[in-house]
Amino acid sequence: EVQLVESGGGLVQPGGSLRLSCAASGFTFSSYSMNWVRQAPGKGLEWVSYISSSSSNTYYADSVKGRFTISRDNAKNSLSLQMNSLRAEDTAVYYCARDYGGDGYFFDYWGQGYLVTVSS
Amino acid sequence: QLVLTQSPSASASLGASVKLTCTLSSGHSSYAIAWHQQQPAKGPRYLMKINNDGTHNKGDGIPDRFSGSSSGAERYLTISSLQSEDEADYYCQTWDTGIHVVFGGGTKLTVL
Repeated sequence: EVQLVESGGGLVQPGGSLRLSCAASGFTFSSYSMNWVRQAPGKGLEWVSYISSSSSNTYYADSVKGRFTISRDNAKNSLSLQMNSLRAEDTAVYYCARDYGGDGYFFDYWGQGYLVTVSS
Repeated sequence: QLVLTQSPSASASLGASVKLTCTLSSGHSSYAIAWHQQQPAKGPRYLMKINNDGTHNKGDGIPDRFSGSSSGAERYLTISSLQSEDEADYYCQTWDTGIHVVFGGGTKLTVL
């Protein structure tokens, strides 16, 4: 059974940093690209970042470019998101999501999410 | 600019059928989309990917009650024999060149 479990969220002050992690199991992690998607309270879904299976390609939404860094450790089946210079508008539940592996960029498994709150 | 448009809300009775619509913006009518379901206080769940010819690829364990279709720039999700657990938000999603991933605004489905 595919499982994605996020951790590392919490409360942080504006301008601060936080690192999210996603533990993957139930599939060959090193064969799949991965993503982070977020959802502000009461709002819709917003894609944040993508990383290819070998980490050779990474992409970011304009809203986080230059502040967030996505990475992965295939030996540990782990995905990470380093978030710096956090703003109030970054407050959201952050989900890791697996790329479905076909043509295009679609997500076929999601984690349960972890709340990040940016507030003083 | 690639935009996905969804009605904010929909409702149908228990045991009935409902058809949700996701409309692709002008110039993007050939794009495939995916449907995701988000039950209250849960993470999203992938339902299916729908191609512009109407063929679709369902996610693991998705019941036969869920089906997809396509017409022009519209992509549909039909849920038959509605159950209480189908009450959820439904999002369509696609992508454009430059890895520009787009979500629709979501449709909140109420089962009466």
